[in-house]
Order: sequence, then structure tokens, then C-alpha cells
Amino acid sequence: DAKTTQPTSMDCAEGRAANLPCNHSTISGNEYVYWYRQIHSQGPQYIIHGLKNNETNEMASLIITEDRKSSTLILPHATLRDTAVYYCIVKRNTDKLIFGTGTRLQVFP
Amino acid sequence: EAGVTQFPSHSVIEKGQTVTLRCDPISGHDNLYWYRRVMGKEIKFLLHFVKESKQDESGMPNNRFLAERTGGTYSTLKVQPAELEDSGVYFCASSQVRGNYGYTFGSGTRLTVV
Repeated sequence: DAKTTQPTSMDCAEGRAANLPCNHSTISGNEYVYWYRQIHSQGPQYIIHGLKNNETNEMASLIITEDRKSSTLILPHATLRDTAVYYCIVKRNTDKLIFGTGTRLQVFP
Repeated sequence: EAGVTQFPSHSVIEKGQTVTLRCDPISGHDNLYWYRRVMGKEIKFLLHFVKESKQDESGMPNNRFLAERTGGTYSTLKVQPAELEDSGVYFCASSQVRGNYGYTFGSGTRLTVV
């Protein structure tokens, strides 16, 4: 079962930063935090992952708290094309991705 | 590089019939995964291939589902006989390295059993 808790939905104005929170209070020391998203009718898309340090790539930034019990995915300048369901996933050593219900992000003009 | 390709994109079959879904991973990706989302539920893991070997098939729902990956390239997922509850979207994903790396997913096959 999913070990993360995310808000059901969020709104964000186009051009503003979208900050998506995730709680994973039972994460163990060797588990990574992964973020994927699913844009309507497409397959899930990998965004970013991290262990304990903050990470940034061309798509987003990932901020992980020092105690690793929560994290935030940041889309610095949201566009309409970022409207999607965002999944925060704690990665187990068995390689399986366990998807929860995710956060439905709606970016509006 | 070409992405993960799945076909057909849509399939409508009658209950009791057989359907075969195909997935072509990214060239050179040894790891291939099948996932599915049924009836508004969450996306669930089905199985994992490393080359032609089944590494983990703990998510396969029952023996009506058979996955193969002959030669370690493309994979097929056969449902025989199909039941109404098998309706959903079947996703395939691949990765080059096993472990803590992102997977590339295909666009999925939408299966409707009537």
C-alpha cells in the first residue's frame, strides 16, 4: 500500500510556482522519494527523485525536510500543460512503484 | 530515442474472448514493467521482467493473465478469457538500470471488455 499522503487537489495560476506537498512519515533510511505525473490519457511521466538532499532538474525541484518525513515538489512556473495528477511515491527496494491517489493539480489562466 | 510503444491503443472485446497487448520498450532497456488501472482505481503493478526473465510477478491478478518477453525485447500480455473486471488501461514501462531511476511509461492500452 502507498505510504504517502497528498492533498486530493490543488489549483495554481499560470506562471506562478506550484508547490505540491507530500507526507511520508514512515519512510525508511534507504527509501527514495519519487514524483511522477499523469496528464490526461497519457502514461505516467517521471519527474524527479531524491533521498535526502534537495534536487533540481529541468522540470522541477524537490525539497525534502531534514527528518525526511515530508517533501514538496515545486514547479517554478506552472503552465496549462502542467495540469495533471501528481504522484508522490516512496520507492522500495523491490522496484515496484506503488501509486496512491495523487494530487490533481489544475493550472488556470 | 523512440519511447515505449504500446499497441493497440484501444481494444474492445467481448467477455470470454482473448486479447493480447504488446509493449516495445526503449531499445537497450533490460527492465520492463506492466501496470494497470482498472475502473477508477489506483495504478497497480503487475509484473517486472529483467531481459526475458520474470523478476517479480506478484501483481498478476490470476492465471488468466500471461506475460511473455521472448528474446528479451518486446513483451506481450495476454488475457484469456477476458472478464468484465479486466477493463482498464494497461501501461508498460521500461528502464535501463534497475534500482533508483525513473521509468519511461508508454501511453497505455485501453481495454474494454463488454
